Amino acid sequence: GQQVMQIPQYQHVQEGEDFTTYCNSSTTLSNIQWYKQRPGGHPVFLIQLVKSGEVKKQKRLTFQFGEAKKNSSLHITATQTTDVGTYFCAETPLDNTDKLIFGTGTRLQVFP
Amino acid sequence: DSGVTQTPKHLITATGQRVTLRCSPRSGDLSVYWYQQSLDQGLQFLIQYYNGEERAKGNILERFSAQQFPDLHSELNLSSLELGDSALYFCASSVSDRVNQPQHFGDGTRLSIL
Repeated sequence: GQQVMQIPQYQHVQEGEDFTTYCNSSTTLSNIQWYKQRPGGHPVFLIQLVKSGEVKKQKRLTFQFGEAKKNSSLHITATQTTDVGTYFCAETPLDNTDKLIFGTGTRLQVFP
Repeated sequence: DSGVTQTPKHLITATGQRVTLRCSPRSGDLSVYWYQQSLDQGLQFLIQYYNGEERAKGNILERFSAQQFPDLHSELNLSSLELGDSALYFCASSVSDRVNQPQHFGDGTRLSIL
């Protein structure tokens, strides 16, 4: 099935280190959403980005939408063990706004 | 608690069998989405229903079917089950038929085919 590549696939960090995951698309996007799935849990909506170059913050999480609306990133400052989980982006292409395509996810492990 | 209820939580069955997964959306949500998540995999979109009508179709196999009832709950039917159908099946709901709305996921049904 169609999926969006996220990098890295896995990331192990020491508690207190920063973490970034990237979502890259080959097509211009209408908008992008980010979800977090804790181990054994279900995806939980974090945020949606719509505007070119948009930056949104949620406490230690910073979300960016690229100027060309083809890529996005999620940055976590000073990770905590509660940040453990898999982070998914979900894209809606500009030429097909009926679609929401989930990324492959980045699994974050935080060591205390 | 997302407000989306899925039953059962676990299902164990054999190849060739048929199962039905059930989903009750969050109160007020008219759209229901079904996803399949295999081990260590991302979310594969299967199908979307909006207010009782099929709205969008993803990579849903012909052996699978779904429907949304007048009370907005939805069922996903999986038949002629194969080992490869073992996965976590999530239901999500949202307010409108537009995909650019936050989706609220249930806890999932873990299907194991023996």
